[in-house]
Amino acid sequence: DTGVSQDPRHKITKRGQNVTFRCDPISEHNRLYWYRQTLGQGPEFLTYFQNEAQLEKSRLLSDRFSAERPKGSFSTLEIQRTEQGDSAMYLCASSSRGGTDEQYFGPGTRLTVT
Amino acid sequence: AQSVTQLDSQVPVFEEAPVELRCNYSSSVSVYLFWYVQYPNQGLQLLLKYLSGSTLVKGINGFEAEFNKSQTSFHLRKPSVHISDTAEYFCAVSRGANAGKSTFGDGTTLTVKP
Repeated sequence: DTGVSQDPRHKITKRGQNVTFRCDPISEHNRLYWYRQTLGQGPEFLTYFQNEAQLEKSRLLSDRFSAERPKGSFSTLEIQRTEQGDSAMYLCASSSRGGTDEQYFGPGTRLTVT
Repeated sequence: AQSVTQLDSQVPVFEEAPVELRCNYSSSVSVYLFWYVQYPNQGLQLLLKYLSGSTLVKGINGFEAEFNKSQTSFHLRKPSVHISDTAEYFCAVSRGANAGKSTFGDGTTLTVKP
């Protein structure tokens, strides 16, 4: 296993369009996290899953954002009716339950909303 | 709630000089502490972590950090830096195993000059 992968790496979309990102975690990890990172800031927590259950969502996650993790494997993050303020790097990470919360990050998906 | 403050947004240093990147945290409960590094166009990579026990923690690439509970600090140090250490460094805190999300600081840009 080569680590956490994310697809696409870059996405340019027009305001108002919907976008979907995919994250494939390390195969034996049952926890999966989504973060958003804007220029000059650290990653901001969006949501996390333990297996297929979404256990926590940030207040940053508006109704336009939805995340799923069917079957507890890969996850998707969808943004509906994108706004320019959604432009950011979207990071996915995974970890093992009962571990030390050491999170392994993917390379991120850079979203640009024009 | 927990928070992380990285006291320096940018740290320029000459090659082979020592460096310290400062991190303070606030939390009402015991925490786990982490330092991550992000090289340009790459995902975050764990440098080191403090879970319990010895307050001096050694990580990869010659970095170490010292946990100071009374000062709620977790400063990162390296006795002699290389050009290749130029990167963004993030301090993060979580409430421990099974706690879910990590909270990140805004990062410190370390620039090593020849």
